[in-house]
Amino acid sequence: DSGVTQTPKHLITATGQRVTLRCSPRSGDLSVYWYQQSLDQGLQFLIQYYNGEERAKGNILERFSAQQFPDLHSELNLSSLELGDSALYFCASSVSGLADTYEQYFGPGTRLTVT
Amino acid sequence: GNSVTQMEGPVTLSEEAFLTINCTYTATGYPSLFWYVQYPGEGLQLLLKATKADDKGSNKGFEATYRKETTSFHLEKGSVQVSDSAVYFCALSATNTGNQFYFGTGTSLTVIP
Repeated sequence: DSGVTQTPKHLITATGQRVTLRCSPRSGDLSVYWYQQSLDQGLQFLIQYYNGEERAKGNILERFSAQQFPDLHSELNLSSLELGDSALYFCASSVSGLADTYEQYFGPGTRLTVT
Repeated sequence: GNSVTQMEGPVTLSEEAFLTINCTYTATGYPSLFWYVQYPGEGLQLLLKATKADDKGSNKGFEATYRKETTSFHLEKGSVQVSDSAVYFCALSATNTGNQFYFGTGTSLTVIP
């Protein structure tokens, strides 16, 4: 158990809908990262927040947005969902905002299925 | 730009066999390099890392050496066990690109008794 929690574990929704994925980092970790893992694209970095502020942005679509709240939990919002958005979404946390200095701890993931 | 290329799987080995999973990278600047492992149904776990050229990362019998001259970070283990069956990801992070992580496509390893 990494200490990172993600809810829900599974989500099934229809095209065009909007969903929110939630992540609680390990106690004491200030940085949260979101990743998308799909069969055709592999593991893609989406976005990073550090202590409430956006720190780095990867291949995140405009239909997707995220935020980190004062209690450091983070939410990833996915809207106007398409079939191609079906994937495993991972959250990771680390102590620092420096990704190459501190280990990232990954949550178990949320499996999103868009039908 | 930054990218990671790792050898295609799946890889199937007998217990106690020698393992090599190749990983090469392209990066601007001076990246840090990582190997992560994903066991079935779980998230990724850091296996080992190296932050500068010629560093060797090691953990649980796995090793990888950061080779700047060949832009490689190959993962090796001398004697694999059934419990090593998992998907292995090579990754890099570079501070000049805002600390983004770039992952390879993953290599699935199955070890048979």
